[in-house]
Amino acid sequence: DTGVSQNPRHKITKRGQNVTFRCDPISEHNRLYWYRQTLGQGPEFLTYFQNEAQLEKSRLLSDRFSAERPKGSFSTLEIQRTEQGDSAMYLCASSFPRAGVSGYTFGSGTRLTVV
Amino acid sequence: LAKTTQPISMDSYEGQEVNITCSHNNIATNDYITWYQQFPSQGPRFIIQGYKTKVTNEVASLFIPADRKSSTLSLPRVSLSDTAVYYCLVGDGDTGRRALTFGSGTRLQVQP
Repeated sequence: DTGVSQNPRHKITKRGQNVTFRCDPISEHNRLYWYRQTLGQGPEFLTYFQNEAQLEKSRLLSDRFSAERPKGSFSTLEIQRTEQGDSAMYLCASSFPRAGVSGYTFGSGTRLTVV
Repeated sequence: LAKTTQPISMDSYEGQEVNITCSHNNIATNDYITWYQQFPSQGPRFIIQGYKTKVTNEVASLFIPADRKSSTLSLPRVSLSDTAVYYCLVGDGDTGRRALTFGSGTRLQVQP
């Protein structure tokens, strides 16, 4: 297992278009997290899954954002009607039970640019 | 979740020891203190975690005083490759149920 994989690494889209990102967590990790990071800031929490259940969503996750983890393995994050303010790095992380905070492994992220 | 305060940036030279202090006055009894490192265009990477006193691994040491209201990440003999942003987080380290809350981090610049 090579860690958390995110695709694509980069995405450029026109304002108003829909985009979808994919995250493949470490196989034995049942918890999966999405974060967003803008330049010069730390990552901001978006949403969290345990297996296929979405257990927590941040207020940052507007109605245009939706995340799924249909079989408790990979996850997708979709942004509809993208806006320039959506430009950011979208990070995925996974963890396993009772590992503590040290159990979080992050992917390298998907950098979204909305033009 | 406990809020953390750390310096925005620090400069150092190769071979020096770097100490980055983080304040977390409202840390809860169940909270652990964790430090992450982030290079440009990469996700954060776990460095070290502790609850009290001192923790050391092959990368760094973490010093936590008895009141746990602050912590210090110590990087021995830094090199250019240690140039990165370092984040201090406090949270429920036991079960990993809660999402991590990042601050703005400390940008460490190591010069030759």
